[in-house]
Order: sequence, then C-alpha cells, then structure tokens
Amino acid sequence: QVTLKESGPVLVKPTETLTLTCTVSGFSLSNSRMGVSWIRQPPGKAPEWLAHIFSNDEKSYSTSLKSRLTISKDTSISQVVLMMTNMDPLDTATYYCARILRDSYGQYYFDYWGQGTLVTVSS
Amino acid sequence: DIQMTQSPSSLSASVGDRVTITCRASQTISNYLNWYQQKPGKAPKLLIYAASSLQSAVPPRFSGSGSGTDFTLTISSLQPEDFATYYCQQSYSIPRTFGQGTKVEIK
Repeated sequence: QVTLKESGPVLVKPTETLTLTCTVSGFSLSNSRMGVSWIRQPPGKAPEWLAHIFSNDEKSYSTSLKSRLTISKDTSISQVVLMMTNMDPLDTATYYCARILRDSYGQYYFDYWGQGTLVTVSS
Repeated sequence: DIQMTQSPSSLSASVGDRVTITCRASQTISNYLNWYQQKPGKAPKLLIYAASSLQSAVPPRFSGSGSGTDFTLTISSLQPEDFATYYCQQSYSIPRTFGQGTKVEIK
C-alpha cells in the first residue's frame, strides 16, 4: 500500500531555513512513471504547488519561490527532501508531499498524498 | 503561469441534488485537468484526472467533462459525505496551479 509521510519542524523563526522530509513506501522513487511533489496550503486557502522531482532527477520549481527552494531525493532510503530558505510568517501553511503518477497518455496527477505537516513561522 | 478560476466559490445544496462546479483556465490546457476533494483537516483526494477519467474507488456519481479552457465537475446526486471543498488543478505546464476552490455546504 502506498503511503507518504512528511516530517520536519512545526515552528521555525523568520529568516531560518525549513527542511522537510517526505518518506515514501509502497513504491520506488526509481520508478520512471512516478515522482514526488511538495504542495503547501495556508490556512483557509487553496493548495499551492511548490516543486517536484522524478526518478531521473528531473526537478521543477514554483515560479515565485524558485530562488528559495531546493528539492532532492535519496532513492536508497525512499526520501524526498525540500529546503526553503529565508522563511517568513506568510509561509505558515500545511506542507504536503504527494505522489505524481505519469500515465501512458502523458497525464500527470497527484494520486496519493501525505497527511501534511503544519509549519508555523513566528519569532 | 496558467490561472485557474473556479465558480462558484461556494454553494449550498441538499442531499440528492445535482451539483455542477466550473473551472476555467487562462489558456488552453487540452484535457490536462484534475479534480480533488478536500475535507477539513485532511489532504486533498484525487477524484477525476485527465478531465473525465474517474479515479479508482471514486463513486460514479462524480463525473468530469471539458477540454481546452472550460471544465466541469458534476455530482449527480449529492450525498452527505460529499460536503467538502473541491479544487481543480492543471497539469499542462509548470508551474502546476490550482483553482481557488468551491465549498459545497449543506442547505
């Protein structure tokens, strides 16, 4: 069964760097049809896609946050890591990791999600 | 970036009603459109992918249609467990973007 679980700090201070880890099971990060995205959702707002990574190490980032984000993976331990620098109170949100399925028609969708982790940015 | 606009932002409906939610893309996205359902405190759940394909284990009362810039999600007969917020999301280009959501409330 496919699961994803986010872990990381619940509270960070402004200007600090946030590091989040997504540990996956039930699929391999080396599967060419699958990738992992990070998506965040501020309280009461819509989800916002942040970044993704695929088995071939292909990476993409949000246009507005690109300079602050780094995504990486360690296939051997089934983990994907997201780093976000220079945190601000406006970055307070629930952060989710989600599996991306790339189907045979070239469609991409988030078919499994982690439970999410609420990160609060405050001094 | 492609902007996704949903309407309405919220609606009130009764059990058994037919509900339609609209999503419009700021440029053509072919059928690269997905729909998610989110309940309070939970992660979004995939309902429909590729505009009209029903995700496994999702009840057939959910259906999606559209292509190009205009899409709809229809719930044919609203059930108590369907009261939630629904989001569309485009997978045509990077960055992936979501609509602002439609909250379906009990009338």
